[in-house]
Amino acid sequence: DQQVKQNSPSLSVQEGRISILNCDYTNSMFDYFLWYKKYPAEGPTFLISISSIKDKNEDGRFTVFLNKSAKHLSLHIVPSQPGDSAVYFCPPSGNTPLVFGKGTRLSVIA
Amino acid sequence: DAGVIQSPRHEVTEMGQEVTLRCKPISGHDYLFWYRQTMMRGLELLIYFNNNVPIDDSGMPEDRFSAKMPNASFSTLKIQPSEPRDSAVYFCASSLWERGEQYFGPGTRLTVT
Repeated sequence: DQQVKQNSPSLSVQEGRISILNCDYTNSMFDYFLWYKKYPAEGPTFLISISSIKDKNEDGRFTVFLNKSAKHLSLHIVPSQPGDSAVYFCPPSGNTPLVFGKGTRLSVIA
Repeated sequence: DAGVIQSPRHEVTEMGQEVTLRCKPISGHDYLFWYRQTMMRGLELLIYFNNNVPIDDSGMPEDRFSAKMPNASFSTLKIQPSEPRDSAVYFCASSLWERGEQYFGPGTRLTVT
């Protein structure tokens, strides 16, 4: 039972352009959403979060959007840089700890 | 702070052998999580502890897997006997609260031949 779905396993974007990573979730009890990125041979690292009482949170080049009615979350990275190439996870949290999924591999091409 | 420390970083063992993975969480973090990452299933939560007490072990795949946290600064994940399908990267993470930001260690890459 996949509570979190990242339907695009991979994404390629040109350097300087916008990267949009999407996430769908099924459990309406989720009320806190985080994005992590993971480089090879390293553990995931926290990137940005959003509470369900908000629909947008911005931190530098990173903006997360939350559409609760659609149970949809997205991460925008603009402008994309080669160092953003990594696997991105969107674990939501509700009455349980974070639920990770398979992630989306972002490749930013110089 | 040194962050979450895991050892060993790589482990290669033969089927049937016992494997023990170790984790030192960030000091002051009350929650410790063990995850397994595979291509097929992504990052799965195996078990987590609060104040050294196991809270949810429903993610532990089989009785061959066990985890302990004898004190606030040390946890182990043991597989006995190991099987080739246990080959994966195992991560340990710690956090201040149950549903918040988790800090991950570098992982242990386990290969069972």
